Order: sequence, then C-alpha cells, then structure tokens
Amino acid sequence: DAKTTQPPSMDCAEGRAANLPCNHSTISGNEYVYWYRQIHSQGPQYIIHGLKNNETNEMASLIITEDRKSSTLILPHATLRDTAVYYCIEEQGAQKLVFGQGTRLTINP
Amino acid sequence: GAVVSQHPSWVICKSGTSVKIECRSLDFQATTMFWYRQFPKQSLMLMATSNEGSKATYEQGVEKDKFLINHASLTLSTLTVTSAHPEDSSFYICSATPGLSNYGYTFGSGTRLTVV
Repeated sequence: DAKTTQPPSMDCAEGRAANLPCNHSTISGNEYVYWYRQIHSQGPQYIIHGLKNNETNEMASLIITEDRKSSTLILPHATLRDTAVYYCIEEQGAQKLVFGQGTRLTINP
Repeated sequence: GAVVSQHPSWVICKSGTSVKIECRSLDFQATTMFWYRQFPKQSLMLMATSNEGSKATYEQGVEKDKFLINHASLTLSTLTVTSAHPEDSSFYICSATPGLSNYGYTFGSGTRLTVV
C-alpha cells in the first residue's frame, strides 16, 4: 500500500512557484522519496528524487525535512505545461514504487 | 537518459482472446521490471514485479494465471493478458530499473487496452 499523503488538488498561477507537499511519515532510513508527474494518458515522467539532502535539477527542487517525514516539491516558475498529477512516492524496501493518489496540480493563466 | 519503450501504444481485442504487451529498456539493462494498471481517474496500481530470469512476484489480488509476465532478457519483459474480458480494459504501464542504488525507475508510455 502507498505510504504517502498528498493534497488531492492544488492551483497555482502561471509564472509563480508551485509548492507541492507530501507526508511520508513511515519512511525508513534507506528508502528514497521519488516525485513523478503524469499528464493525461501518458506514462509517469520522472522529476526528482532524494534521500536526506535537498536536491535540485533542471525541473524542480526537492526539500526534505530533517526527520525525513515530509518533503516539498518546488516548481520554481510554473507554466501551463506543468498541469498534471504529481505523485510523491516512498520507495518501498528500496525495491519498488507504489503510487498513492497524487496531487492534481492546475496551473492557471 | 534512460528510455523504456512500450508496445503497442493501444490495442483493441475481442473478448476471450489474449493480448501481449512488450516493454523494452533501450539503453540500459533492466534487472527488474514492473507492471502497473491504471483505470480512468485513478492512480497507478502495481500488478507485479519481475526480475530477469525468475518468476514474477504478483501483488495481492492480481491473478497470475490471467496476467502472464515473462522477463527472459535484461532488456525485455512482456505482459500477456489471457482470455481478456471487458473489465480488463485499462491503461497498462511498465517500468524498469537497473537495480542500482539511486539510479531510479523509468516508465514506458503505456498501452491502452480495450476489450470489446
């Protein structure tokens, strides 16, 4: 079963930063937190992942709390193309990804 | 970056027939592959995990005799939906990983199966 909790939906204005929260209170020490997004009728697209430290790449930043029980995905300058369902996933047993319900992010013009 | 190719992208089949879906890792060796199913407006549901050269491990509630998974090589896994029925109509997605720590998981583009 999925072990992460995310708000079902969020809205963000185009050009603003989108901050998507996630709770993963049962994560163990060697399990990564992964973020993917899915645009309608496509396969999930990798965004970023992390273990303990904050991470940044060309798509987003990932802020992980010190106790690792929650994280926030930041899309610094959201565009209309960022409208998608965003999944925060706790890698289970360091071997597989079990998806929760995700957050439906809508970027508004 | 890592690429996973899934084929076909969509298929329509008659009730009672079998359908095979292929998942290939194009630029890396996938020691482990995963198969998911997604119904409209729902999240992805993990069906099974397959390791190259061994039997797949199915999630609870997934019929192994109905969803046959073969992972005979490090770059190819197949999912066969046997004796398909309309309730098997869904979006099937595969994922692959080389199994190396911190490497991540790459997903295919999915297969839309419609059983009529």
